[in-house]
Amino acid sequence: EAGVTQSPTHLIKTRGQQATLRCSPISGHTSVYWYQQALGLGLQFLLWYDEGEERNRGNFPPRFSGRQFPNYSSELNVNALELEDSALYLCASSLQGSYEQYFGPGTRLTVT
Amino acid sequence: TQLLEQSPQFLSIQEGENLTVYCNSSSVFSSLQWYRQEPGEGPVLLVTVVTGGEVKKLKRLTFQFGDARKDSSLHITAAQPGDTGLYLCAGDQGYSGAGSYQLTFGKGTKLSVIP
Repeated sequence: EAGVTQSPTHLIKTRGQQATLRCSPISGHTSVYWYQQALGLGLQFLLWYDEGEERNRGNFPPRFSGRQFPNYSSELNVNALELEDSALYLCASSLQGSYEQYFGPGTRLTVT
Repeated sequence: TQLLEQSPQFLSIQEGENLTVYCNSSSVFSSLQWYRQEPGEGPVLLVTVVTGGEVKKLKRLTFQFGDARKDSSLHITAAQPGDTGLYLCAGDQGYSGAGSYQLTFGKGTKLSVIP
C-alpha cells in the first residue's frame, strides 16, 4: 500500500513569492493534516482538512492557506513568503475518527 | 508554553547501553503516540498507547503510558546505531468534533547511538 506522498521534495523561493505544496494521502484516508517543522521549534500544527472542509487551523497567519480536493489530496499555499517560513512542511493523513496519523516525507521549503 | 515536554533533549550513548526518554504533561491525553524521525524524512509511527498504565513492547523498545494518562516513557534495551533518530511523542486530547483528532507534539529527544 502506498504511503503519504508529497511534492516537491525541495522548493526554493525568494521572499515575497508564493509557494504551493502538495500531498496525497493513503488510500481510504479522508483527513489530511499539515505541520511546519522549523529548527528548534518541533512540529507546529498548521491545518486540518477532512471531507473537503477545513476543520481547524493552528496559530499561523492567513497567508498560510490550503484546500482539499474531492480525491482527498491536499494543497498548502503560502503567500508573501518570509525568511522564517523556511522549514520542513509535513503532511499526514488518517482515517476519519482515528487518532493515528501517518506522515509523508515532507517538502523542504527554503526562502532566500 | 509547551503542552508536552520531552526529556532529555539530546542523548548520546554507546551501542549496547540502555536508555529511557520521557514525555510529560500537566494535561490528560486520550492517547499518546511515539514517532521516530530520521533527518530529512517524515516521522514514522512506532506505537499508540491508550489505556492508563498500558505497556507495549516493540522488539527492544518498551513504551509505557502513565496511570493518569499525563505522561509516557520509552525505554530502549541494548541500543543499536539503527536506533539513532529524533523520538517524538504526540498526544491527542480526544475527539475534537467533525470525526477526527488533532495531535500535539513534543519537541523530541535526539538520540545518537555510537558504534
